[in-house]
Amino acid sequence: QQQVKQSPQSLIVQKGGIPIINCAYENTAFDYFPWYQQFPGKGPALLIAIRPDVSEKKEGRFTISFNKSAKQFSLHIMDSQPGDSATYFCAARSGAGSYQLTFGKGTKLSVIP
Amino acid sequence: GAGVSQSPSNKVTEKGKDVELRCDPISGHTALYWYRQRLGQGLEFLIYFQGNSAPDKSGLPSDRFSAERTGESVSTLTIQRTQQEDSAVYLCASSPQKNTEAFFGQGTRLTVV
Repeated sequence: QQQVKQSPQSLIVQKGGIPIINCAYENTAFDYFPWYQQFPGKGPALLIAIRPDVSEKKEGRFTISFNKSAKQFSLHIMDSQPGDSATYFCAARSGAGSYQLTFGKGTKLSVIP
Repeated sequence: GAGVSQSPSNKVTEKGKDVELRCDPISGHTALYWYRQRLGQGLEFLIYFQGNSAPDKSGLPSDRFSAERTGESVSTLTIQRTQQEDSAVYLCASSPQKNTEAFFGQGTRLTVV
């Protein structure tokens, strides 16, 4: 049973565009939602994370929007650049003391010049 | 080293052979995780070590898979009698304690032929 559903599988935008990647979850015990960025041949690296007590978090050009009632969260990349081309994974982890990150299947983003 | 180190980077093995994958966590990190990433898929949790506590092996897909870690040092993931479906990238991550950010290594790409 997939607990975190991520869409789209792939996304192509032009430089300067605003790609949006969406994730939905089922487990209401999840309370930590990170996004990871992965370049080919590299391990995933934490990009930005949010907890459900806020509806939005912004770090540089990256913004997470969180809708607790809908059990959905999304990543927005402002003024996207070719260097942002990578695979993005959303993830979720349940309450205090837990440790397993449940990952979405990933979105391959291509930003064309 | 500065990050999580995994070896080998790539491994090609014949079906039925045993393989051993190595992970050197960041010094001082008490928590260590192994994940599997199949082509086009998200990360699948395999096993978790926290200090000297008993490991959580709930994600291991079969008894052909095992992992060891001595104290807070190196971990090895062993796959016995490899099958073609074991082909994947095996990722190791470590964190300072069990509910903090996990830092990933670059992974070992295993190909079973």
